[in-house]
Amino acid sequence: EAGVTQFPSHSVIEKGQTVTLRCDPISGHDNLYWYRRVMGKEIKFLLHFVKESKQDESGMPNNRFLAERTGGTYSTLKVQPAELEDSGVYFCASSQTQGVQETQYFGPGTRLLVL
Amino acid sequence: AQSVTQLGSHVSVSEGALVLLRCNYSSSVPPYLFWYVQYPNQGLQLLLKYTSAATLVKGINGFEAEFKKSETSFHLTKPSAHMSDAAEYFCAVSQAGGGNKLTFGTGTQLKVEL
Repeated sequence: EAGVTQFPSHSVIEKGQTVTLRCDPISGHDNLYWYRRVMGKEIKFLLHFVKESKQDESGMPNNRFLAERTGGTYSTLKVQPAELEDSGVYFCASSQTQGVQETQYFGPGTRLLVL
Repeated sequence: AQSVTQLGSHVSVSEGALVLLRCNYSSSVPPYLFWYVQYPNQGLQLLLKYTSAATLVKGINGFEAEFKKSETSFHLTKPSAHMSDAAEYFCAVSQAGGGNKLTFGTGTQLKVEL
């Protein structure tokens, strides 16, 4: 079974440019999460999709970030325009809905550097 | 609100020695607790999780953790470190009814020396 995949693995962009990150969850997983780790700090929750619906987007930093999950399969996270403080590692995770806390399976992350 | 504190951003042990990584949590309701590991250039991998069943949880690769409500702790241990255990370890918490989002600690980098 394929795991969570993320593309690209690395991205270096100039301040003010746009970047789109993609996450392909494990097949059949309804839940999809985005997290971010800024250098030296903890991994922080950004948002949670259940199928194509945003369940919780309380962690999104500001309106420069737009996440979508059309059709309830893969998800994209677009940053427009990118700022220096957006640099970090963006993780995607997916899980199946279960009665007790389900296990979230993480992708390898996208390392974003904004210059 | 929930939070996690991992004491020690870097821990170094000798091969064969006990591994102890500390995690304390704060949660207003009974928590679910997790330990994840990240090897270089890989994603986070679940080591073990506590979901209100047994307080001593056994995970993969010989790791285990004990939930102690009185101490609000969930420390990770392994009796004998192996070189392959060198990685970054993250403790995380979530709450029932909280949408299952994880709140992470800042991580502990484990170094294993010969």
